[in-house]
Amino acid sequence: GQQLNQSPQSMFIQEGEDVSMNCTSSSIFNTWLWYKQEPGEGPVLLIALYKAGELTSNGRLTAQFGITRKDSFLNISASIPSDVGIYFCAGQLNNLFFGTGTRLTVIP
Amino acid sequence: GEEVAQTPKHLVRGEGQKAKLYCAPIKGHSYVFWYQQVLKNEFKFLISFQNENVFDETGMPKERFSAKCLPNSPCSLEIQATKLEDSAVYFCASSQSIGGTSSYNEQFFGPGTRLTVL
Repeated sequence: GQQLNQSPQSMFIQEGEDVSMNCTSSSIFNTWLWYKQEPGEGPVLLIALYKAGELTSNGRLTAQFGITRKDSFLNISASIPSDVGIYFCAGQLNNLFFGTGTRLTVIP
Repeated sequence: GEEVAQTPKHLVRGEGQKAKLYCAPIKGHSYVFWYQQVLKNEFKFLISFQNENVFDETGMPKERFSAKCLPNSPCSLEIQATKLEDSAVYFCASSQSIGGTSSYNEQFFGPGTRLTVL
């Protein structure tokens, strides 16, 4: 199956700091998505990217779809305590192929 | 409805027992997906449906797992003779369409069913 490598695995940051995480794949995807999952909940879609090179923002979140269609990054600016959770990248063909997740802890 | 609904929230089964999970997709969504999330947070695609038809079942274990989406009924995922390694959170997702690049392909997830096999 498709392998998506996501890094870092976990991050501990101070409130107010910026965060960056990325995802690489050995395969090309039509669409890249970033989801956030909180304990006991399903993944919630944060940002969807449809075109190679596309840079998209959603509030304090910014994500880019790599030119090669094999990678993506997500930035979170000025982190706040409610940013805590696990962030997953996902490449989409028909179904989704998920990265291994980045667990974010924000220290107030 | 406006959200993907999954029942039950938690399910505990003894090894060898049957488990059945249900999913109601968002109204108007034609595609339903089942994913399995194991303890290390890894998601595994199991099966997808286009309305009541199986669209892609490449992730379904050959034995013991089956799924259906019948008209006017919630979709279901059934595991016959559960094993310890079936313990996981099972997520259902739905989307309006599939293929190409479009916001209509975005998959919305339910809250999941946590299956514990003892």
